Amino acid sequence: EAGVTQSPTHLIKTRGQQVTLRCSPISGHTSVYWYQQALGLGLQFLLWYDEGEERNRGNFPPRFSGRQFPNYSSELNVNALELEDSALYLCASSRGSNQPQHFGDGTRLSIL
Amino acid sequence: QQQVKQSPQSLIVQKGGISIINCAYENTAFDYFPWYQQFPGKGPALLIAIRPDVSEKKEGRFTISFNKSAKQFSLHIMDSQPGDSATYFCAASLARDDKIIFGKGTRLHILP
Repeated sequence: EAGVTQSPTHLIKTRGQQVTLRCSPISGHTSVYWYQQALGLGLQFLLWYDEGEERNRGNFPPRFSGRQFPNYSSELNVNALELEDSALYLCASSRGSNQPQHFGDGTRLSIL
Repeated sequence: QQQVKQSPQSLIVQKGGISIINCAYENTAFDYFPWYQQFPGKGPALLIAIRPDVSEKKEGRFTISFNKSAKQFSLHIMDSQPGDSATYFCAASLARDDKIIFGKGTRLHILP
């Protein structure tokens, strides 16, 4: 069974630019979650999508947004990039609410 | 407000020894407590998890001990091996919002 796949693996952007990260969940999983792992801040919850709807959102500004497609894959969009957005962005998937979450290997985003 | 406190930050254990990582939580409504293992360059991998109606769960060399009244839980790795060297995260979540709150992590190094 293929795990959660994320693309790209690495990305370099400059301040003010916009970025889109992609995630494909494990087959059969309907929920997708996004987390940010920044140096010194640990793993922080960003967004939860289930059946195409945003179900929960962490303490991040509105320039962090996303969506989930009918095939359950997901995109995370970050607008007006700031230096502190440099982090590893992790996607996880599960079979639904209150089920174990399984992570991909992340997208490393560096802001210059 | 850090809702899950993890200690120690780093731990060195001899091969064959017992590695113990401790966590404490604040929100008594948490109802799911997973542990994740993360190797450099990889995403967190679900190791073992427990729900508060159980005081202990064992899977192979890994055991979670859970003390609901003290709001504490711990991970014990028996017969620790060099391959166990990784960062370990305790976490907690609420069924109603599916947001995992992570501890800051423990860097474990097993000496050969």
